[in-house]
Amino acid sequence: RKEVEQDPGPFNVPEGATVAFNCTYSNSASQSFFWYRQDCRKEPKLLMSVYSSGNEDGRFTAQLNRASQYISLLIRDSKLSDSATYLCVVNEGGFKTIFGAGTRLFVKA
Amino acid sequence: ETGVTQTPRHLVMGMTNKKSLKCEQHLGHNAMYWYKQSAKKPLELMFVYSLEERVENNSVPSRFSPECPNSSHLFLHLHTLQPEDSALYLCASSQVAGGGAEAFFGQGTRLTVV
Repeated sequence: RKEVEQDPGPFNVPEGATVAFNCTYSNSASQSFFWYRQDCRKEPKLLMSVYSSGNEDGRFTAQLNRASQYISLLIRDSKLSDSATYLCVVNEGGFKTIFGAGTRLFVKA
Repeated sequence: ETGVTQTPRHLVMGMTNKKSLKCEQHLGHNAMYWYKQSAKKPLELMFVYSLEERVENNSVPSRFSPECPNSSHLFLHLHTLQPEDSALYLCASSQVAGGGAEAFFGQGTRLTVV
């Protein structure tokens, strides 16, 4: 089983749609969780941290389910500019930070 | 000016060449990292430096040799690479090493080994 697993997609959605990504992780002792965004041929950038209580930033909502060992990202009212690869990132403690392979999202006009 | 800059942006080298990748961060961070990103694969952490001291080396072949002369600069020296080493090499920095610190990435060096 991969340490951090994501559906690679691609997800093709129309503008205005709501789309959700899930990510599962194998180490139950994992401590910190993040979503990064990577545009085509660009570097990854932090989108949001994921807290146990869940958190929201505008159109983006992140949730953590420790019992089932998954995190999710919900994007509401999708924009063309949301087209990117979304990376799930899990820190297992210390320097052991694991990146998922990413989920590709295409938002169409 | 971006917080983390990498040079060169693109590099083509032969298997017998020696080259170096350079990374500089302007954020006052204490930790710097090298990652490898191959097509359709997750980012792989290669090296971690905290306060100029190497604190993590993830079983990387010796043909990759990092150097951190100060907290703002990080190098990756390359020699006798293999074609499978072709990838995007990303440098990152964070306020502190590890844990929940946000990582800021450079734009990467796209390396092709021929």
